[in-house]
Amino acid sequence: GAVVSQHPSWVICKSGTSVKIECRSLDFQATTMFWYRQFPKQSLMLMATSNEGSKATYEQGVEKDKFLINHASLTLSTLTVTSAHPEDSSFYICSAREPVDYGYTFGSGTRLTVV
Amino acid sequence: AQKVTQAQTEISVVEKEDVTLDCVYETRDTTYYLFWYKQPPSGELVFLIRRNSFDEQNEISGRYSWNFQKSTSSFNFTITASQVVDSAVYFCALYTGHGNNRLAFGKGNQVVVIP
Repeated sequence: GAVVSQHPSWVICKSGTSVKIECRSLDFQATTMFWYRQFPKQSLMLMATSNEGSKATYEQGVEKDKFLINHASLTLSTLTVTSAHPEDSSFYICSAREPVDYGYTFGSGTRLTVV
Repeated sequence: AQKVTQAQTEISVVEKEDVTLDCVYETRDTTYYLFWYKQPPSGELVFLIRRNSFDEQNEISGRYSWNFQKSTSSFNFTITASQVVDSAVYFCALYTGHGNNRLAFGKGNQVVVIP
């Protein structure tokens, strides 16, 4: 089946630094990838939709300059949290839409802690 | 607009009991897909099932079964003879092709299986 690899699984960074999270589709080409944020005991909140070769579409209320998304190839999308602050600490998870059927495969998630 | 409602937030059951998770969806589209995902404590989302709107057949997979009723816009999920490994958050999601092909998630059901 389709596999999406997300790295790193967890990261601790200092306030003010930037962190990059990678999302790769391993065995299929993903023209569309999604980035979610999840707070404890809550559902997934869509942050942005990433389309290969074009700018990401951000959800209302998501800061584009803080959460930079790049989808430079059909197998890789990255989310960079810039100038991270403790309130950016969260669980981030990516998803890729399989091109043939209507399947969505999720990465294993990244737990970000900003200290 | 599409919406998914999972009314039960946390459900506790004793091992070997059955548990049913309710999912009610809203959409004006006639073509849509419904999903169930499992999120264990480790965080990754595990795909369980996808059902399209034209296939109302119920499905059974081992101890899991799903009841799709278009008349009541429901896609309920039952775990039979629950086990401790079933302890997780379960999400119901809806895809209609609108809004950048995103999935609309319910709030999730936290299932706790007590040994």
